[in-house]
Order: sequence, then C-alpha cells, then structure tokens
Amino acid sequence: GAGVSQSPRYKVAKRGQDVALRCDPISGHVSLFWYQQALGQGPEFLTYFQNEAQLDKSGLPSDRFFAERPEGSVSTLKIQRTQQEDSAVYLCASSAGTGNYNEQFFGPGTRLTVL
Amino acid sequence: GDSVTQMEGPVTLSEEAFLTINCTYTATGYPSLFWYVQYPGEGLQLLLKATKADDKGSNKGFEATYRKETTSFHLEKGSVQVSDSAVYFCALSANQAGTALIFGKGTTLSVSS
Repeated sequence: GAGVSQSPRYKVAKRGQDVALRCDPISGHVSLFWYQQALGQGPEFLTYFQNEAQLDKSGLPSDRFFAERPEGSVSTLKIQRTQQEDSAVYLCASSAGTGNYNEQFFGPGTRLTVL
Repeated sequence: GDSVTQMEGPVTLSEEAFLTINCTYTATGYPSLFWYVQYPGEGLQLLLKATKADDKGSNKGFEATYRKETTSFHLEKGSVQVSDSAVYFCALSANQAGTALIFGKGTTLSVSS
C-alpha cells in the first residue's frame, strides 16, 4: 500500500492488560512519529524514531509505554498494565526526511478503549 | 514551551460562505506552520504549509499566511462547500530536524447546503 497503515484499528482491553499497536510506515521513510489523541483534542507527541534509533521519547506519559522500530521500518507501541486514562486514538506518522518542513503522513490510527 | 491556540468550534456555515479559522502560536525561533484536515472517518492529512515568514500556503481554495509579527497562521477560504465539512488542526514544528508537530485542539467545520 502507498500509505501508512496501523493495526489493529480498534482495540478493547481490560484494565491491567498489555497491548501492542503496530505501525507500517511508507516504504523508505526515515522518520516515524507516534502521537496520542484524546477525544476532542489535537494529537500529542509521544516518541520519534530516525530509522531504528529512538531519538526522542520525551512525550511518553509513563514507563508503561514502550516503543521500538528494530529494523528501521515497522514500529510497535506497547502499553503495559493499561489504565483507563490510556483510552485514546494512537496515531503513527512517517516522513521521508528529517527536516521540520517535511510532510508527515498519518495512518488511520488505533482506537484503544480500556475498560 | 511551544504551543498553538486555535479558535473554538464548532463553526457552522452555509455553502458559499467565507471561512476564517484563527490560529496563533508561541514558539522560539522560526517554526514551520501547517494546517491539517481530518475528514469524517479518515486520517489526518496535510492541507497546506508555510516554512518562513510571509509565506502563503494554499491548496483546494484554502489559504494561510505566516505572519511573524502577529504570530498567526489563520486559515481562510472564500467560498466553502459541503465537502469541506471536517475537523481542521493548526500545527507547528520547531526549526530543528526530527521535531514533532505541536497541534492545536482542532476546529470542527460544518457546512450546510
């Protein structure tokens, strides 16, 4: 596919469960971002990868959140011991370069609901 | 820290009306500025951008001018269509490599025929 894909599109978890969210960026894109979008809010930055290196994880809200991109393409965001406040849409975006003017292409998001 | 403030919605207009959605920002240095749009049931997509002061971004009849003196990047369209109904997000990216987008809260636009 030509765009960014994410799976699953919807995830319901019981509080305390671990979840893993997958992002397939556009092939060849160097930069990959994860964002969290709460209902009625704009997306908020979680973490940034340049190829396989995680260069910025300052937005991760707690040590329960972990992200990886081991081969510089697919990325996984893992949330351990989910809490109700983790309920949100998780967006992945990729861009071809590293400059701040590069367009970020967004995936459709994964809507996580924690019961 | 850097931030974006955009007008609260929802904005409700009739077809062919003039649209303005205000956006102001706070940032050190010279950020790049963006408008993203999210149509119902779809992902975020870039509408337009401007990378330096006085640049005008334009696309699909929408325009926004990077005003450094007023730290603003207001979105305008002369004649809206029903198909423009969506959520619009103003965003900035600080002037260094690999920086994330900082978004406003979004403004919902509803256009009726």
